[in-house]
Amino acid sequence: RKEVEQDPGPFNVPEGATVAFNCTYSNSASQSFFWYRQDCRKEPKLLMSVYSSGNEDGRFTAQLNRASQYISLLIRDSKLSDSATYLCVVNTHAGNNRKLIWGLGTSLAVNP
Amino acid sequence: NAGVTQTPKFQVLKTGQSMTLQCAQDMNHNSMYWYRQDPGMGLRLIYYSASEGTTDKGEVPNGYNVSRLNKREFSLRLESAAPSQTSVYFCASTHAGPDQPQHFGDGTRLSIL
Repeated sequence: RKEVEQDPGPFNVPEGATVAFNCTYSNSASQSFFWYRQDCRKEPKLLMSVYSSGNEDGRFTAQLNRASQYISLLIRDSKLSDSATYLCVVNTHAGNNRKLIWGLGTSLAVNP
Repeated sequence: NAGVTQTPKFQVLKTGQSMTLQCAQDMNHNSMYWYRQDPGMGLRLIYYSASEGTTDKGEVPNGYNVSRLNKREFSLRLESAAPSQTSVYFCASTHAGPDQPQHFGDGTRLSIL
C-alpha cells in the first residue's frame, strides 16, 4: 500500500456543484495533514491544514478520520477558478525522522 | 513580499555539465527543502536543511549536493547533469520542521539533453 493515495481523477463538475476528494494514508502515527493546491505548471500552494476536529475555510471543508486513516476535502459551490490539482500531504515518522509524504494529486476541472 | 525566490526559472544543459540552482527566502524560516516533481511521481524530497548549518538527504539525493549558505539561502548543485535529472525543481521553506505548512518558490524547469 502506498503511504499516501489519492484518486487521480479527473473530476469534471459544473459550476456550483459540490465535490469531495479523499486521501488515504498508511501510517497510523501520522500527526500532520494538509491540502495543497497546484495549478498547471505552478508551485504548490497551501490550501488548508487539516485538524482533528475538522475545519472550514469559506467554501472548503477538511475532515480527518483517524479510524479509517483518511482525510477529505469538500468544495461547495465550485468556481471555475477551483480548477487545479489538489495534493494531499501527510507527515510520517521513521525513527527520529519526520518527513512529509506527498500524494500524486487529484485533478479537478470545473466547467461552465 | 518575495517569499521564496528561485533562480533560474528555466535552464537547458548538456549531459555532463554542472550547474547550481539558487533559492532564497525572506521569511526568517529555519528549514528549507529541495524537491523535484516528475509526471506520475509526485513531489520527491532531494535534500533538506532543518536549520542553518545542517543538511540531510531526502528520498532521492543521488547526483545532487546542497549548501545551506546562511539562514536565507539554500542551493542545489548538479555536478554532472544526466537526462534523468530533467525535472521541475521546487525549493520550499517552513518556520521549523517538515510537518508545518511549506512555502514554495516558483520552480526551476530544467532540461538535460
